[in-house]
Amino acid sequence: SQTIHQWPATLVQPVGSPLSLECTVEGTSNPNLYWYRQAAGRGLQLLFYSVGIGQISSEVPQNLSASRPQDRQFILSSKKLLLSDSGFYLCAWSVKGATGSEQYFGPGTRLTVT
Amino acid sequence: KNQVEQSPQSLIILEGKNCTLQCNYTVSPFSNLRWYKQDTGRGPVSLTIMTFSENTKSNGRYTATLDADTKQSSLHITASQLSDSASYICVVSSGGSYIPTFGRGTSLIVHP
Repeated sequence: SQTIHQWPATLVQPVGSPLSLECTVEGTSNPNLYWYRQAAGRGLQLLFYSVGIGQISSEVPQNLSASRPQDRQFILSSKKLLLSDSGFYLCAWSVKGATGSEQYFGPGTRLTVT
Repeated sequence: KNQVEQSPQSLIILEGKNCTLQCNYTVSPFSNLRWYKQDTGRGPVSLTIMTFSENTKSNGRYTATLDADTKQSSLHITASQLSDSASYICVVSSGGSYIPTFGRGTSLIVHP
């Protein structure tokens, strides 16, 4: 069966510090991968998605970046965090090549920028 | 522009009561519609999925309906339980796109 992991589960970082969140998927190959952010009481905002290694599409211009160094690894980074980067970050995967397929979400990372 | 609107934004009900959540969408071309349940501090989990030809789908006490003509869906929860307290998110996928459109969710609180 497929599983998706995210870490860390919670993170408190000062403004201006770097960020690295990691997501890995097990039990499937060539998945589509997604990063979402959810602000308190708000809906999910798509940040990045990837349909293959090294292929990253950005949906929202910001100080965040994403990379996919391996087929089932997706990393969200920032060189300098802003207060507005606080939120709940969710990684998700879906079946490769299948548009409209179900997205499976990870447990999330709660980021607080102080 | 593809959009998904959910109502109400929040809802409080007593344990054992039924409730219905609404979802209106303007997504084209339509592929499928999902309802997700998101517990606080957790990732969303899919409850039901409906394609164009389906108008009802059940998952235990959860029943989703779809009217593709009016582009409306509802999620009916029967005999609510405290564990139903969560955010319920309507998600519509468009044919040919890897990016689904998310509603902002309905926050449901079930009180004993």
